[in-house]
Parts: sequence; C-alpha cells; structure tokens
Amino acid sequence: DVKVTQSSRYLVKRTGEKVFLECVQDMDHENMFWYRQDPGLGLRLIYFSYDVKMKEKGDIPEGYSVSREKKERFSLILESASTNQTSMYLCASSYPPDSSYEQYFGPGTRLTVT
Amino acid sequence: GQNIDQPTEMTATEGAIVQINCTYQTSGFNGLFWYQQHAGEAPTFLSYNVLDGLEEKGRFSSFLSRSKGYSYLLLKELQMKDSASYLCAVRDGDYKLSFGAGTTVTVRA
Repeated sequence: DVKVTQSSRYLVKRTGEKVFLECVQDMDHENMFWYRQDPGLGLRLIYFSYDVKMKEKGDIPEGYSVSREKKERFSLILESASTNQTSMYLCASSYPPDSSYEQYFGPGTRLTVT
Repeated sequence: GQNIDQPTEMTATEGAIVQINCTYQTSGFNGLFWYQQHAGEAPTFLSYNVLDGLEEKGRFSSFLSRSKGYSYLLLKELQMKDSASYLCAVRDGDYKLSFGAGTTVTVRA
C-alpha cells in the first residue's frame, strides 16, 4: 500500500521562525513535490525534485527552499516564516515521467504563522 | 502561464448524475488528471486521460477533447460519500501538474 507521510498535521509558528516540513515516501518514487493549497487558488507547486539532490522551482518558490538528501525524504524549509505563508502544505510523489503515473499525496500540514 | 478553469461549486441529489467541466489553456499537454479530495484529507487519484474520448471506471467517467482544451468528470448514481472537492490537473511537461481551483460537490439526500 503506497504511503506518503508528513511530519505534522498541524503546526503553529511565529513570524520570523525557521520552519521545516518533512515528507517521507515508501514507494521508491523518483519524483517528489511540495504544494500549498489555499481556498479559491487550488494547489500551487512550490518546488519539486526528480532525483536525490536535484530540485527545480515550481510556480511560487519565493520564501521557500527544499532539501533532498535521500530518495525517500523531501523537506520544505521556510527560511523566515511570514503570515502570508499560513496555508495547507501538501507533499506528493510519483514515478519517473511515464505520463500515466499519478501523484500520490500525503495528508497535509496545516501551518499557521502568527 | 497555465489557465485551468472549473466551476467553484455544484449541488446535486443522491442518486442523480453530475458533470464537472474543466477547460484548460496550457503551454503543453501530457495528460489530464482528476482527483477527489474530501475535507481535511489528501487528494486521491480518480482518472487519467491523454487521448480524446471517454474513460469509464465504475460510477465515474472522464472525457477529454484536446482540440477544445476541455474535459469533464461524470459522477453517476451519486452517493453522500461523493460530497468532496474534485480537482482537475494538467500535466504540461514531464513532471509538473497544474491544478484548477477545484469544484466542491455537495450531495443532498
């Protein structure tokens, strides 16, 4: 059974704090993704990684960075959290680009920055 | 940029049929996905279309017309558990999915 897990379901941080969101997949997937989901805007891609130590910017990378030291783990880092980063963060993974392979999502982390 | 449009909300009665439309304008096309997302949960995969036509999977069907930049998801014999958000997503390259804002479907008894 495929599984993508995220380190926290709910997180509250203060403005200016450094925040780490962790994602782990057990499916030996090459590709991993970080999205944020906001009402009325849908899922927006922050960063993705197609291999260990490889990363590419998505549509909204500003204020975020990522790390992928091991194949199964993809971390999202908020260098200095701001209130406009309050959101639901979803991690996903998928096989290499065979077009039919869907992305599998984790349960999400609801981050509140106060 | 990518533009993927779907209605914000739809309401239907238990046992009925609902059709959720999705139109897209993207820089590339390498398949269209539909996901279901219940409140507070992760999106889960429903269907995939890369060629024109209808794909049927039980009570759910998905249709694609690449020339029109159009897809729909058809939900038949609606059940209360089908109340959820339905997300249309286009793969426009090798890796990335671009998502619409989602359609919230409410099923009433």
